Amino acid sequence: GESVGLHLPTLSVQEGDNSIINCAYSNSASDYFIWYKQESGKGPQFIIDIRSNMDKRQGQRVTVLLNKTVKHLSLQIAATQPGDSAVYFCAETPYNFNKFYFGSGTKLNVKP
Amino acid sequence: GAVVSQHPSRVICKSGTSVKIECRSLDFQATTMFWYRQFPKQSLMLMATSNEGSKATYEQGVEKDKFLINHASLTLSTLTVTSAHPEDSSFYICSARDWTRGVGEQFFGPGTRLTVL
Repeated sequence: GESVGLHLPTLSVQEGDNSIINCAYSNSASDYFIWYKQESGKGPQFIIDIRSNMDKRQGQRVTVLLNKTVKHLSLQIAATQPGDSAVYFCAETPYNFNKFYFGSGTKLNVKP
Repeated sequence: GAVVSQHPSRVICKSGTSVKIECRSLDFQATTMFWYRQFPKQSLMLMATSNEGSKATYEQGVEKDKFLINHASLTLSTLTVTSAHPEDSSFYICSARDWTRGVGEQFFGPGTRLTVL
């Protein structure tokens, strides 16, 4: 499959701080990128997505940045809360959404 | 949001037996469903893409005769692990795509934990 990887396997932050989770992808033809949150023993949960024709998209407390030049994706979580503790995956898919490829994941630990 | 269920949530079986996992889209029709496998502390690996009314498309390295996929209706896909062995023990997750939402977003089931003794 395509290669989608992450720089940091584990990230520990203090409650209230901002978190930044990074992801690198290799397929320049990828058109759609998604961030998922997965809690232990559960399926992934959609957080935010971005199309390749955008470089930034904001949601509630979350922002995704896309740098197509260096094939880099990041997820920013503002005012991180204990409930944000989970594993975060990026995923990418080409324009026809036929396949979704996941990165290796980053575990976010939020310290109270 | 769209809801996807999986059954069973956990299953323990003896080596050599077959196990069937169901994936259902509860409030939307899913022409396409995906099956993933996830080993502990690892990412989701796409196993196959299941299209309603046609044969599944398997990823390279996934044995189609071992992992039988049936997508008989717009709300149900099944994955049967045939002649299961301990190395098949894993977390199996399905997802379904709701095209009415326009962007092809996929919704995940809660997963099925398979343990083969």
